[in-house]
Amino acid sequence: QQQVKQSPQSLIVQKGGISIINCAYENTAFDYFPWYQQFPGKGPALLIAIRPDVSEKKEGRFTISFNKSAKQFSLHIMDSQPGDSATYFCAASQRGSEKLVFGKGTKLTVNP
Amino acid sequence: DTAVSQTPKYLVTQMGNDKSIKCEQNLGHDTMYWYKQDSKKFLKIMFSYNNKELIINETVPNRFSPKSPDKAHLNLHINSLELGDSAVYFCASSLLYGYTFGSGTRLTVV
Repeated sequence: QQQVKQSPQSLIVQKGGISIINCAYENTAFDYFPWYQQFPGKGPALLIAIRPDVSEKKEGRFTISFNKSAKQFSLHIMDSQPGDSATYFCAASQRGSEKLVFGKGTKLTVNP
Repeated sequence: DTAVSQTPKYLVTQMGNDKSIKCEQNLGHDTMYWYKQDSKKFLKIMFSYNNKELIINETVPNRFSPKSPDKAHLNLHINSLELGDSAVYFCASSLLYGYTFGSGTRLTVV
């Protein structure tokens, strides 16, 4: 049972373009939704996170959009750069638990 | 100073052997985890310890045994290694929310 569904599996974007990665969940007890970025040979690193009491959070070129009624959230990378090429994971955890459930990841390639 | 450090970074071993992976964090976090990342990059939680107490034990073969001597250390011992154990194993720590991951241990069983 996959609790967080992530799409697409891979994404190719031109430099300067917008990268969009989507995630959907079923468990309404989830109340924390982070995104992680992983470069080859490294561990995942926290990029940005959101709670369901807001619909959008922006940090620099990275924005999370959250739709509570649809149980969906997405990561938007504006002005994508080759250095953004990495695997991105959405995740979720529920109240009272620090256990993170991860999506299957999206490999982003930004072409110069 | 590395926040979450794992050793070794690479581990190549034969089937049937027993091996250990060590993890240390200097962030003062109360909770530590082991995650397994398979060849398709899927991250799956294996174990979680909070202040030396086991709090999450997912469906993992009992050949895998975590040990936490103190809240800054969480080791993973694997007995009778099998080909299917080949993966990257990540240690992580957290305080409330927001994990910090180590750089991983790539285990290859031949």
